Amino acid sequence: SSELTQDPAVSVALGQTVRITCQGDSLRTYYASWYQQKPGQAPVLVIYGESNRPLGIPDRFSVSTSGNTASLTITGAQAEDEADYYCNSREGSGDHWVFGGGTKLTVL
Amino acid sequence: QVQLVESGGGVVQPGRSLRLSCTASGFTFRTYGIHWVRQAPGKGLEWVAGIWNDGSKTHYTESVKGRFTISRDNSKNTAWLQMNSLRAEDTAVYYCVRDVWETTVTTFFDSWGQGTLVTVSS
Repeated sequence: SSELTQDPAVSVALGQTVRITCQGDSLRTYYASWYQQKPGQAPVLVIYGESNRPLGIPDRFSVSTSGNTASLTITGAQAEDEADYYCNSREGSGDHWVFGGGTKLTVL
Repeated sequence: QVQLVESGGGVVQPGRSLRLSCTASGFTFRTYGIHWVRQAPGKGLEWVAGIWNDGSKTHYTESVKGRFTISRDNSKNTAWLQMNSLRAEDTAVYYCVRDVWETTVTTFFDSWGQGTLVTVSS
């Protein structure tokens, strides 16, 4: 089965730019979507497709894809961005979905 | 507004069964696929199962095939996850999730319920 690999933890200074990566063969075929999860809360979709944000998601969130890697970039990280971030995509035949292991983002 | 409300979680002994419900409101239920995603305590997200908008196709992660069944009734705006032969490793918060197929290569989960906790323990 396919896998999506994320770094377990990343930190960024307040106001700086941070990149969270997601690697996997499925990303050569399918776009990743990204979810933010804060403690005790359900995940929230923050970005999907080429670089589309749902209503209410700040434009400091963007994404790029190259080969088998999708990268979520937060430009000017804020304290409220501290959370776990998960990537997700369809995989294989397209009948299954897979999540990355998650990246814990700390804003210093 | 879009709402997905899960129910049916609880404590169950290994080998027993449990059925989770997901009641939807605020959108045309029959036009969206529904999935169940779980999260074990302190762990990451895991896709469990999905069902097409019309119920014609269902898909499962390998570890639950043959034990879990996803279903839906569009007239009741409700989806279910029937979980049989439960194991300790099925202990998790189970989220009901709505999917969007923007294109064949762009799909995402745009709405999540608050989750229901399933604890499998003797």
